[in-house]
Amino acid sequence: ETGVTQTPRHLVMGMTNKKSLKCEQHLGHNAMYWYKQSAKKPLELMFVYSLEERVENNSVPSRFSPECPNSSHLFLHLHTLQPEDSALYLCASSPGTGGHTRYGYTFGSGTRLTVV
Amino acid sequence: GQQLNQSPQSMFIQEGEDVSMNCTSSSIFNTWLWYKQDPGEGPVLLIALYKAGELTSNGRLTAQFGITRKDSFLNISASIPSDVGIYFCAGHSGGSNYKLTFGKGTLLTVNP
Repeated sequence: ETGVTQTPRHLVMGMTNKKSLKCEQHLGHNAMYWYKQSAKKPLELMFVYSLEERVENNSVPSRFSPECPNSSHLFLHLHTLQPEDSALYLCASSPGTGGHTRYGYTFGSGTRLTVV
Repeated sequence: GQQLNQSPQSMFIQEGEDVSMNCTSSSIFNTWLWYKQDPGEGPVLLIALYKAGELTSNGRLTAQFGITRKDSFLNISASIPSDVGIYFCAGHSGGSNYKLTFGKGTLLTVNP
């Protein structure tokens, strides 16, 4: 399998649930990203990992907790979310934190999250 | 922070028509990127621009990096139904800064 794969594609969770989003890239990239996409808003950068080290936490609430066990895998752990957290969560990767200027990010298909 | 103004927000056109959309910035970018997002999918890179004044084509798509480095446009010629989707511009200010600044997107609808 190639590219960036995200699972699940759709997730409905209650405000007291704990769930995790998974992202896997098969491109040999060193940097991975979590973005939030809400209607009528620009893509919002949430977290950046470079070689498994977090280099950016863009003022994201602590109810979102990222994990990057290796350069191919990225998780987003979710707990006690709010309805306004419902959105499309996109994972992306790039050759390096500067390398994306040549090729852009490669995005996954996203996880459509609904918090009820 | 940096902001991109992308226009128009949405377009409704007939199949076969040409389309033009643009992005403007309050600050200079060294790279401009154009993405397309199909319904239910993530954005896919269409065209990347690296030099002021550069004009690059990808099939029926043509994009230009503005001379001032503060704007870019994307043209689609002879539109077809599969051109439907959201088109995003993104800018990068250069160096080791990894951040891309995205526009809000242009929603394109093509009527057969």
